[in-house]
Amino acid sequence: SQKIEQNSEALNIQEGKTATLTCNYTNYSPAYLQWYRQDPGRGPVFLLLIRENEKEKRKERLKVTFDTTLKQSLFHITASQPADSATYLCALTRGYSSASKIIFGSGTRLSIRP
Amino acid sequence: DVKVTQSSRYLVKRTGEKVFLECVQDMDHENMFWYRQDPGLGLRLIYFSYDVKMKEKGDIPEGYSVSREKKERFSLILESASTNQTSMYLCASRGSVGAPNQETQYFGPGTRLLVL
Repeated sequence: SQKIEQNSEALNIQEGKTATLTCNYTNYSPAYLQWYRQDPGRGPVFLLLIRENEKEKRKERLKVTFDTTLKQSLFHITASQPADSATYLCALTRGYSSASKIIFGSGTRLSIRP
Repeated sequence: DVKVTQSSRYLVKRTGEKVFLECVQDMDHENMFWYRQDPGLGLRLIYFSYDVKMKEKGDIPEGYSVSREKKERFSLILESASTNQTSMYLCASRGSVGAPNQETQYFGPGTRLLVL
């Protein structure tokens, strides 16, 4: 069955630096991969989606890359701020049908220190 | 903006009680999901529904049932609550194929359930 691994449980970064989070998967290549942000006691919130035929996606200070050969996605936050501190979840989906389930990683807790 | 609401933020129940968790979405989404989230285990799918009165088992359906009588509402039922069902429960909805942002799941705020 498909497994997702997010590089580390926790990551501490100095404010202003680029935070890089890793998501590795085994088995099949997903049709698309998503990144979500989750704050304590809240539900996840969608950030970015990248499809299997895309290499990179950007949104403001966020960038996602997708390497189907390495079976890996990288999530970057440039010019990080303390407000970026949260848990970030990687999620992948095999297909586009309504029955396609999303599989989530267990998340990386990011802390940005001033 | 899509809004997904859950009936309670915090709930304390006793072992053996029947527990109802309600979820309502306002975007006319066909697909709705129930997850539980535990430290180190991530989000695990309990049940999902792709239409009214339709339901499919997820990865961990044991001890749970669901009900979807109306499109906007998806209920999770713990028939006889046990202490190992203490967890954060998250509801989500998603549009059908062809809908805007069809791939994105929209989550509710979660219900933190404690079973004593």
